[in-house]
Amino acid sequence: DAGITQSPRHKVTETGTPVTLRCHQTENHRYMYWYRQDPGHGLRLIHYSYGVKDTDKGEVSDGYSVSRSKTEDFLLTLESATSSQTSVYFCAISDPASTETQYFGPGTRLLVL
Amino acid sequence: EDQVTQSPEALRLQEGESSSLNCSYTVSGLRGLFWYRQDPGKGPEFLFTLYSAGEEKEKERLKATLTKKESFLHITAPKPEDSATYLCAVTTSGTYKYIFGTGTRLKVLA
Repeated sequence: DAGITQSPRHKVTETGTPVTLRCHQTENHRYMYWYRQDPGHGLRLIHYSYGVKDTDKGEVSDGYSVSRSKTEDFLLTLESATSSQTSVYFCAISDPASTETQYFGPGTRLLVL
Repeated sequence: EDQVTQSPEALRLQEGESSSLNCSYTVSGLRGLFWYRQDPGKGPEFLFTLYSAGEEKEKERLKATLTKKESFLHITAPKPEDSATYLCAVTTSGTYKYIFGTGTRLKVLA
């Protein structure tokens, strides 16, 4: 299994509070991704990173920000959580120099009340 | 707009009853097509990558094929442990973004 961990694995928070999710990898892969998964929508890309301090938006980036200060860590921040951001969040990694395959973390289940 | 569509949404099979899942795509310049398996409460698990029309990959009871417009995941003599959601994704030329379909939920009954 690819070395990807996500923390926390579960979180309950209230509307309007900031939330940060962490993805940590031990594979030294260049690309890291944040997705959300909702019934009927499948996996939708929020943001991705192609190197330290290099990030770009995905299809559902509004209300989210990201940071990558080290190769191994990719943080997703909800500046002011809303109920529509209740979802399961997955981190993924890939290294196009060797393989295009994405490997996924175990997910974080977020409930915004 | 690049798009990936999977069908059927859900499929129930008896153990041993072979079938196929479909992933059709409309993209500008396919670079790769990926199949994943996802169990409840877990992240997707990689199965196959296909790059060119006519390519086939096999793993145990699963076989993936690719044409210029779609991919099939054939399941031969499935077992209950094959029950999962199967996801299809594509990458396109010039980007390392992955576009996912909404998946097929497979249930294999003993």
